[in-house]
Amino acid sequence: KAGVTQTPRYLIKTRGQQVTLSCSPISGHRSVSWYQQTPGQGLQFLFEYFSETQRNKGNFPGRFSGRQFSNSRSEMNVSTLELGDSALYLCASSLYLAGGPYEQYFGPGTRLTVT
Amino acid sequence: TQLLEQSPQFLSIQEGENLTVYCNSSSVFSSLQWYRQEPGEGPVLLVTVVTGGEVKKLKRLTFQFGDARKDSSLHITAAQTGDTGLYLCAGEDNNAGNMLTFGGGTRLMVKP
Repeated sequence: KAGVTQTPRYLIKTRGQQVTLSCSPISGHRSVSWYQQTPGQGLQFLFEYFSETQRNKGNFPGRFSGRQFSNSRSEMNVSTLELGDSALYLCASSLYLAGGPYEQYFGPGTRLTVT
Repeated sequence: TQLLEQSPQFLSIQEGENLTVYCNSSSVFSSLQWYRQEPGEGPVLLVTVVTGGEVKKLKRLTFQFGDARKDSSLHITAAQTGDTGLYLCAGEDNNAGNMLTFGGGTRLMVKP
């Protein structure tokens, strides 16, 4: 079974621009979560989508948004980029069986550099 | 907000040595997971523990969930250079929509 894929793997943007990152979950997984990882803050939760609905949201400004499509693929968008948005953005998918542990399977990430 | 503290933050050891990484919280988790992440890649799930006091072994790695389900440890026996990486623990909270809270990580370097 193919793993979680993320595109693009690397991205360089300028302050003020916007960016869209894409994530394809493992086949059959309906939950997709997004995380931001930086050396200083570690892994921080952005949001989670399940069946096209945002189910959980982390403590990030409204410039960070996401969506999920009917095929479970997900995108996240960051508008008006700031230097501090430079990070590894990770997508994780989960089978999410009710009553079972919420195990997440991560993609390789998108390395975003804002200059 | 639940917090998970990992210790130590950094660990540099020689090949063949044993080590233990700790993951502590004041909150109770419904499950706890351990991941390993290598540079430039996403975290890879190693194990999930769900029952207080549970011990799971994965070759040279032993994972334990505390009796009260607030803490966990990862013990590596006879470390190898291939064990080098960032080890992350993550606690699941059923009362928070099954969100995972990640610890800050332990960066392990095993030298030959």
